[in-house]
Amino acid sequence: GAVVSQHPSRVICKSGTSVKIECRSLDFQATTMFWYRQFPKQSLMLMATSNEGSKATYEQGVEKDKFLINHASLTLSTLTVTSAHPEDSSFYICSVMAGGRDTQYFGPGTRLTVL
Amino acid sequence: AQKITQTQPGMFVQEKEAVTLDCTYDTSDQSYGLFWYKQPSSGEMIFLIYQGSYDEQNATEGRYSLNFQKARKSANLVISASQLGDSAMYFCAMREPDSGNTPLVFGKGTRLSVIA
Repeated sequence: GAVVSQHPSRVICKSGTSVKIECRSLDFQATTMFWYRQFPKQSLMLMATSNEGSKATYEQGVEKDKFLINHASLTLSTLTVTSAHPEDSSFYICSVMAGGRDTQYFGPGTRLTVL
Repeated sequence: AQKITQTQPGMFVQEKEAVTLDCTYDTSDQSYGLFWYKQPSSGEMIFLIYQGSYDEQNATEGRYSLNFQKARKSANLVISASQLGDSAMYFCAMREPDSGNTPLVFGKGTRLSVIA
């Protein structure tokens, strides 16, 4: 069964609104979750590392005030895209490390379209 | 410099044949992990196989095997007995060091098309 869930799977919003994306670790506790972004026909790019109980670490070029990350519990991290614009339209996907050193599991992703 | 290089934007393979997807990596760390993921059109990232830098044996998972050549810094994915359902994007990824709290860096991917 699924190890990581994301909600919503798809969202369409108007420019200027905020969108919240949830990432849940279903079977285990995760002190660290990762958020990636994937533009059409491109690869996954790391946006930020979400740490439970502390501030997220953002990659260079990712605006922390625009992409708010809250990792309030060991099973939930949220990404809020504030004042979304059409250029924020992308596939957002989270991942969690699970069960030892090898596997990193990904959520099913959220496709965001900003009109 | 690119950490992960996948030189094949697209590959075609006949059903039931084997195919090799290339991946080279760049690191100065002794500890690193190499991954392959499959991404079908639905977008989900499906974990296929993992190889640790200290693993002496090449990793295998069912029809998937990883041809790990450390000196050449290559980690090619071999898919045997291709099936139509194998048609998808395939991403090679690395984390350095090889620990659970390290994110993955992905290559640009290879689109595999399996022909009946």
